[in-house]
Amino acid sequence: GQQVMQIPQYQHVQEGEDFTTYCNSSTTLSNIQWYKQRPGGHPVFLIQLVKSGEVKKQKRLTFQFGEAKKNSSLHITATQTTDVGTYFCAGLREYGNKLVFGAGTILRVKS
Amino acid sequence: DTGVSQNPRHKITKRGQNVTFRCDPISEHNRLYWYRQTLGQGPEFLTYFQNEAQLEKSRLLSDRFSAERPKGSFSTLEIQRTEQGDSAMYLCASSLGPSGYDTEAFFGQGTRLTVV
Repeated sequence: GQQVMQIPQYQHVQEGEDFTTYCNSSTTLSNIQWYKQRPGGHPVFLIQLVKSGEVKKQKRLTFQFGEAKKNSSLHITATQTTDVGTYFCAGLREYGNKLVFGAGTILRVKS
Repeated sequence: DTGVSQNPRHKITKRGQNVTFRCDPISEHNRLYWYRQTLGQGPEFLTYFQNEAQLEKSRLLSDRFSAERPKGSFSTLEIQRTEQGDSAMYLCASSLGPSGYDTEAFFGQGTRLTVV
């Protein structure tokens, strides 16, 4: 079945340092989404990538979708304490298929 | 409509009892998902609906789990003869459509189940 893997599982950074999490799918995806979950909260949608090689930016966050549409990354520049949480990628394999989540990367930021 | 609503927020039950959770998605959303999440893990897919049709149920789920979405609006998830391993957060999410840019999932606050 479809699997979505994320690394690293956990990252602890000093405030101001950069952070990157990587997502890999066992199958080609029609789109990939990124979510953030704060401690005690529920996943909240950040962004969606649909096109091969697509790059999107949201302020300090940069999202990339691989050329083969099987991998993606989220990069945060100059982390802040408000970035703390777990970042999940979620892939949609094809039309009408289910959204499958990775295990997430826990980000802790030390001020 | 303020978003996806789940009830109850918390449920404590004795092992062997049946429990039922309810999810009210965003009204115009056709797609509805149920996920289970344990501490430190990502949302684990359980089942999903397109309108009233249940399209897939995870092979990880035993026959004790059943879900319905009778009129294509709200959904219920029932767990029969609960076991301690069922303790988790049960998340419901809905999205407008099955493809393209309509697949953003909106999550409810979840129902936290504790089986004692």
